[in-house]
Amino acid sequence: SQKIEQNSEALNIQEGKTATLTCNYTNYSPAYLQWYRQDPGRGPVFLLLIRENEKEKRKERLKVTFDTTLKQSLFHITASQPADSATYLCALLYSSASKIIFGSGTRLSIRP
Amino acid sequence: EAQVTQNPRYLITVTGKKLTVTCSQNMNHEYMSWYRQDPGLGLRQIYYSMNVEVTDKGDVPEGYKVSRKEKRNFPLILESPSPNQTSLYFCASSTLAGQLGDTQYFGPGTRLTVL
Repeated sequence: SQKIEQNSEALNIQEGKTATLTCNYTNYSPAYLQWYRQDPGRGPVFLLLIRENEKEKRKERLKVTFDTTLKQSLFHITASQPADSATYLCALLYSSASKIIFGSGTRLSIRP
Repeated sequence: EAQVTQNPRYLITVTGKKLTVTCSQNMNHEYMSWYRQDPGLGLRQIYYSMNVEVTDKGDVPEGYKVSRKEKRNFPLILESPSPNQTSLYFCASSTLAGQLGDTQYFGPGTRLTVL
């Protein structure tokens, strides 16, 4: 069965640095890959979508890359701020089925 | 305001007592889905629905039922809850215009405890 691994449970970085989160998957490449932000006690909030034929997507300070050869997506937050502290989830969507598979998330902490 | 609502937000019940968690969206979305979230396991899909009267199993459907009689509502039913169904549950919806690539909007969550 498909497995997703997000690089680490927790990541701590200094304010102003770039945070890089990793999402690795096994087996088949998804048609879409999404990144979400989740704050404690709240539902996930959609951030970015990247399609299998796209290599990179940007939105303000956020950047997502998608490498189907490495079976990996990287999620970058540049000029990180304490307000970026949250758990970030990646999700894989396959066009052959309607299931959506989430990773377990990486808890990001930005220290001032 | 575009939103997904869930009720109740918190529920403590006992083993075997049937319960229903409601989910409603006001965005005319075709796709709706239920997830459970457990520490260390992330979000796991329970059931999803592509449209009215069309439902299918996700990764962890055992012990759950759903129905989609109207486009806006997608209730989650636990016929005989057990303690291993203690979890945080999220409902989500999206359009299918982009063929599943579209944003999923999540509800606020329902924290269920089964004693």
